[in-house]
Amino acid sequence: QKEVEQNSGPLSVPEGAIASLNCTYSDRGSQSFFWYRQYSGKSPELIMFIYSNGDKEDGRFTAQLNKASQYVSLLIRDSQPSDSATYLCAVRAGGTSYGKLTFGQGTILTVHP
Amino acid sequence: ETGVTQSPTHLIKTRGQQVTLRCSSQSGHNTVSWYQQALGQGPQFIFQYYREEENGRGNFPPRFSGLQFPNYSSELNVNALELDDSALYLCASNQIGGPSTDTQYFGPGTRLTVL
Repeated sequence: QKEVEQNSGPLSVPEGAIASLNCTYSDRGSQSFFWYRQYSGKSPELIMFIYSNGDKEDGRFTAQLNKASQYVSLLIRDSQPSDSATYLCAVRAGGTSYGKLTFGQGTILTVHP
Repeated sequence: ETGVTQSPTHLIKTRGQQVTLRCSSQSGHNTVSWYQQALGQGPQFIFQYYREEENGRGNFPPRFSGLQFPNYSSELNVNALELDDSALYLCASNQIGGPSTDTQYFGPGTRLTVL
Protein backbone atom coordinates (compact mmCIF):
# COMPACT_ATOMS: atom_id res chain seq x y z
CA GLN A 1 0.00 0.00 0.00
CA LYS A 2 1.34 3.40 -0.95
CA GLU A 3 1.72 5.90 1.86
CA VAL A 4 -0.31 8.54 0.05
CA GLU A 5 -2.68 7.68 -2.77
CA GLN A 6 -4.69 10.00 -4.95
CA ASN A 7 -7.67 9.23 -7.11
CA SER A 8 -6.52 8.10 -10.49
CA GLY A 9 -6.90 10.56 -13.26
CA PRO A 10 -6.94 12.28 -15.46
CA LEU A 11 -10.02 14.15 -14.31
CA SER A 12 -11.92 16.24 -16.81
CA VAL A 13 -14.67 18.69 -15.84
CA PRO A 14 -16.51 21.42 -17.75
CA GLU A 15 -15.90 25.05 -16.94
CA GLY A 16 -18.03 26.17 -13.99
CA ALA A 17 -18.35 22.69 -12.50
CA ILE A 18 -17.04 21.41 -9.18
CA ALA A 19 -13.84 19.37 -9.36
CA SER A 20 -13.33 16.84 -6.58
CA LEU A 21 -9.84 15.53 -5.81
CA ASN A 22 -9.32 12.80 -3.26
CA CYS A 23 -6.41 11.48 -1.26
CA THR A 24 -5.94 8.72 1.31
CA TYR A 25 -2.96 8.17 3.58
CA SER A 26 -1.72 5.22 5.56
CA ASP A 27 0.05 6.78 8.58
CA ARG A 28 -2.50 7.42 11.34
CA GLY A 29 0.01 9.69 13.07
CA SER A 30 -0.01 12.17 10.20
CA GLN A 31 -0.44 15.72 11.43
CA SER A 32 -0.55 18.12 8.52
CA PHE A 33 -2.02 17.91 5.07
CA PHE A 34 -1.30 20.01 2.04
CA TRP A 35 -2.58 20.51 -1.47
CA TYR A 36 -0.21 21.76 -4.13
CA ARG A 37 -0.92 22.68 -7.72
CA GLN A 38 1.71 22.04 -10.36
CA TYR A 39 1.51 23.40 -13.87
CA SER A 40 3.38 21.52 -16.56
CA GLY A 41 7.10 22.24 -16.37
CA LYS A 42 6.75 24.28 -13.17
CA SER A 43 7.30 23.60 -9.49
CA PRO A 44 4.53 22.83 -6.97
CA GLU A 45 2.59 25.82 -5.68
CA LEU A 46 0.88 25.65 -2.29
CA ILE A 47 -2.91 25.98 -2.47
CA MET A 48 -4.05 25.04 1.00
CA PHE A 49 -3.08 23.31 4.20
CA ILE A 50 -5.33 21.74 6.81
CA TYR A 51 -4.55 20.38 10.24
CA SER A 52 -7.92 19.67 11.88
CA ASN A 53 -10.87 17.51 10.99
CA GLY A 54 -13.56 19.25 9.00
CA ASP A 55 -13.64 21.76 6.19
CA LYS A 56 -11.40 24.69 5.42
CA GLU A 57 -12.41 27.16 2.75
CA ASP A 58 -10.29 29.63 0.82
CA GLY A 59 -12.02 31.32 -2.08
CA ARG A 60 -13.08 28.69 -4.59
CA PHE A 61 -11.10 25.97 -2.80
CA THR A 62 -12.31 23.80 0.08
CA ALA A 63 -10.12 21.23 1.79
CA GLN A 64 -11.80 18.48 3.79
CA LEU A 65 -10.06 16.28 6.34
CA ASN A 66 -11.31 13.12 8.02
CA LYS A 67 -8.58 11.64 10.18
CA ALA A 68 -10.70 8.67 11.26
CA SER A 69 -11.04 7.62 7.63
CA GLN A 70 -7.52 8.83 6.77
CA TYR A 71 -8.93 10.84 3.95
CA VAL A 72 -8.37 14.35 2.66
CA SER A 73 -9.99 16.01 -0.32
CA LEU A 74 -9.94 19.21 -2.29
CA LEU A 75 -12.99 20.72 -3.93
CA ILE A 76 -12.65 23.39 -6.57
CA ARG A 77 -15.85 25.30 -7.18
CA ASP A 78 -16.59 27.17 -10.40
CA SER A 79 -13.67 25.47 -12.13
CA GLN A 80 -11.80 27.57 -14.67
CA PRO A 81 -9.56 26.50 -17.57
CA SER A 82 -6.68 28.08 -15.61
CA ASP A 83 -7.23 25.42 -12.92
CA SER A 84 -6.01 22.79 -15.38
CA ALA A 85 -2.91 21.36 -13.72
CA THR A 86 -1.63 18.42 -11.69
CA TYR A 87 -2.82 18.49 -8.08
CA LEU A 88 -0.55 16.96 -5.48
CA CYS A 89 -1.64 15.82 -2.04
CA ALA A 90 1.12 15.88 0.59
CA VAL A 91 1.16 14.59 4.14
CA ARG A 92 3.51 15.27 7.04
CA ALA A 93 3.91 12.58 9.65
CA GLY A 94 3.72 13.33 13.35
CA GLY A 95 6.71 13.99 15.57
CA THR A 96 9.56 16.26 14.63
CA SER A 97 9.83 15.30 10.97
CA TYR A 98 8.97 18.83 9.98
CA GLY A 99 10.66 18.53 6.64
CA LYS A 100 9.43 15.29 5.26
CA LEU A 101 6.38 15.64 3.12
CA THR A 102 5.13 12.46 1.50
CA PHE A 103 3.39 13.14 -1.79
CA GLY A 104 0.84 11.26 -3.77
CA GLN A 105 1.41 10.62 -7.43
CA GLY A 106 -0.78 13.56 -8.42
CA THR A 107 -4.09 13.89 -10.25
CA ILE A 108 -4.19 15.64 -13.60
CA LEU A 109 -7.18 17.96 -13.84
CA THR A 110 -8.42 19.37 -17.14
CA VAL A 111 -11.13 22.02 -17.17
CA HIS A 112 -12.60 22.36 -20.65
CA PRO A 113 -14.50 25.43 -21.83
CA GLU B 1 6.75 33.66 -6.57
CA THR B 2 7.79 32.13 -3.27
CA GLY B 3 11.16 33.80 -2.78
CA VAL B 4 12.96 30.45 -2.97
CA THR B 5 15.57 30.47 -5.71
CA GLN B 6 17.49 27.63 -7.31
CA SER B 7 20.38 27.39 -9.71
CA PRO B 8 21.01 26.34 -12.32
CA THR B 9 17.68 26.03 -14.12
CA HIS B 10 18.79 23.21 -16.36
CA LEU B 11 21.81 20.95 -16.35
CA ILE B 12 23.06 18.16 -18.59
CA LYS B 13 25.63 15.71 -17.27
CA THR B 14 26.99 12.34 -18.29
CA ARG B 15 26.85 9.15 -16.29
CA GLY B 16 29.51 8.97 -13.59
CA GLN B 17 29.93 12.72 -13.23
CA GLN B 18 29.19 14.78 -10.13
CA VAL B 19 26.74 17.68 -9.83
CA THR B 20 26.05 20.46 -7.32
CA LEU B 21 22.68 22.17 -7.16
CA ARG B 22 22.07 25.33 -5.14
CA CYS B 23 19.12 26.80 -3.27
CA SER B 24 18.45 30.02 -1.42
CA SER B 25 15.62 29.84 1.07
CA GLN B 26 12.81 32.34 1.42
CA SER B 27 13.62 35.28 3.67
CA GLY B 28 13.00 34.35 7.29
CA HIS B 29 13.06 30.62 6.67
CA ASN B 30 15.62 28.50 8.51
CA THR B 31 15.01 25.07 6.99
CA VAL B 32 15.62 23.66 3.54
CA SER B 33 14.34 20.37 2.18
CA TRP B 34 15.29 18.73 -1.10
CA TYR B 35 13.02 16.60 -3.25
CA GLN B 36 13.46 14.61 -6.45
CA GLN B 37 10.57 14.50 -8.90
CA ALA B 38 10.71 12.02 -11.74
CA LEU B 39 8.47 12.58 -14.73
CA GLY B 40 4.84 11.78 -13.95
CA GLN B 41 5.49 11.18 -10.25
CA GLY B 42 5.08 13.13 -7.05
CA PRO B 43 8.17 14.61 -5.39
CA GLN B 44 10.26 12.23 -3.25
CA PHE B 45 11.93 13.55 -0.09
CA ILE B 46 15.73 13.40 -0.22
CA PHE B 47 16.71 15.19 3.02
CA GLN B 48 16.19 18.27 5.13
CA TYR B 49 18.70 20.70 6.65
CA TYR B 50 18.08 22.71 9.79
CA ARG B 51 20.72 24.68 11.68
CA GLU B 52 23.33 23.46 9.20
CA GLU B 53 22.72 19.81 10.04
CA GLU B 54 20.84 17.04 8.29
CA ASN B 55 17.48 16.74 10.03
CA GLY B 56 15.95 13.75 8.31
CA ARG B 57 16.68 11.73 5.21
CA GLY B 58 14.59 9.79 2.74
CA ASN B 59 15.43 6.57 0.96
CA PHE B 60 18.34 7.87 -1.10
CA PRO B 61 21.89 6.44 -1.25
CA PRO B 62 24.87 8.20 0.36
CA ARG B 63 26.02 9.58 -2.99
CA PHE B 64 23.28 12.16 -2.41
CA SER B 65 24.68 14.62 0.10
CA GLY B 66 24.02 18.16 1.14
CA LEU B 67 25.08 21.23 3.03
CA GLN B 68 23.39 24.17 4.66
CA PHE B 69 25.22 27.45 5.19
CA PRO B 70 24.85 30.02 7.99
CA ASN B 71 22.63 32.15 5.74
CA TYR B 72 20.32 29.08 5.41
CA SER B 73 21.11 28.53 1.73
CA SER B 74 21.82 24.96 0.76
CA GLU B 75 23.55 22.70 -1.73
CA LEU B 76 22.64 19.26 -3.00
CA ASN B 77 25.53 17.17 -4.28
CA VAL B 78 25.13 14.00 -6.28
CA ASN B 79 28.16 11.84 -7.04
CA ALA B 80 28.55 9.07 -9.61
CA LEU B 81 25.50 10.14 -11.57
CA GLU B 82 23.23 7.44 -12.94
CA LEU B 83 20.69 7.65 -15.75
CA ASP B 84 17.86 7.32 -13.21
CA ASP B 85 19.01 10.51 -11.51
CA SER B 86 17.46 12.45 -14.39
CA ALA B 87 14.66 14.40 -12.73
CA LEU B 88 13.44 17.76 -11.49
CA TYR B 89 15.19 18.62 -8.23
CA LEU B 90 13.14 20.79 -5.97
CA CYS B 91 14.19 22.80 -2.98
CA ALA B 92 11.61 23.87 -0.40
CA SER B 93 11.99 26.12 2.61
CA ASN B 94 10.03 26.62 5.81
CA GLN B 95 10.43 28.21 9.21
CA ILE B 96 10.70 25.75 12.07
CA GLY B 97 9.28 27.54 15.10
CA GLY B 98 7.26 29.95 13.00
CA PRO B 99 3.48 30.35 12.79
CA SER B 100 3.07 27.80 10.00
CA THR B 101 6.10 25.84 10.94
CA ASP B 102 5.80 22.98 8.47
CA THR B 103 4.35 24.79 5.48
CA GLN B 104 6.90 24.41 2.73
CA TYR B 105 7.34 26.67 -0.26
CA PHE B 106 9.07 25.39 -3.35
CA GLY B 107 11.63 26.97 -5.61
CA PRO B 108 11.40 26.72 -9.40
CA GLY B 109 13.52 23.56 -9.53
CA THR B 110 16.57 22.38 -11.42
CA ARG B 111 16.00 20.03 -14.34
CA LEU B 112 18.87 17.53 -14.42
CA THR B 113 19.41 15.31 -17.44
CA VAL B 114 21.96 12.50 -17.22
CA LEU B 115 23.13 11.06 -20.54
